[in-house]
Amino acid sequence: AQSVTQLDSQVPVFEEAPVELRCNYSSSVSVYLFWYVQYPNQGLQLLLKYLSGSTLVKGINGFEAEFNKSQTSFHLRKPSVHISDTAEYFCAVSVKGNTPLVFGKGTRLSVIA
Amino acid sequence: GAGVSQSPRYKVAKRGQDVALRCDPISGHVSLFWYQQALGQGPEFLTYFQNEAQLDKSGLPSDRFFAERPEGSVSTLKIQRTQQEDSAVYLCASSPLGQGSGNTIYFGEGSWLTVV
Repeated sequence: AQSVTQLDSQVPVFEEAPVELRCNYSSSVSVYLFWYVQYPNQGLQLLLKYLSGSTLVKGINGFEAEFNKSQTSFHLRKPSVHISDTAEYFCAVSVKGNTPLVFGKGTRLSVIA
Repeated sequence: GAGVSQSPRYKVAKRGQDVALRCDPISGHVSLFWYQQALGQGPEFLTYFQNEAQLDKSGLPSDRFFAERPEGSVSTLKIQRTQQEDSAVYLCASSPLGQGSGNTIYFGEGSWLTVV
């Protein structure tokens, strides 16, 4: 069965600094990869997803992620964060076929003014 | 509305009480999912419907949990004889295509259940 590891539970970063949120997955077959964001008291919102093709995926709000098959990673990056990016970020994986989306435990990004 | 709607948003139940959580998916979406999110954790899969058929209920933690989607639209998650460990946010989600197809899954804001 597939699983997702988010290596950092909390990441504090100063406003306008770059950030990388790390995600590794385990699966022996082809996967789809997702990043979701959860603002306080709100539902999860899709940031970006990798299905196939180019390994660099661009999403909303200036975020991007790179799929690295050899390292089984899908790290999320943003070159310059804003206060409004403060939220919980979840990496998720789905194996191609009839399997559910599996989430990591999340990384809390705190942007400091 | 345009999104996935869940009710109630907040529910406090006494231990042993039965609760029912409702989900209105996005109109026309074939797939409907229920997830459970404990405090400080990621969402964990409970069950999946394709139209009215419950195709996967492997994540339901016990036989006290029951879900239905009788007409292929609205779904209800029922928890019988609630226990304190059932306290969590219950997330409903829907998508236009089947599970595992890579399509985007849209989440509701969740129903926060506290069992006292």
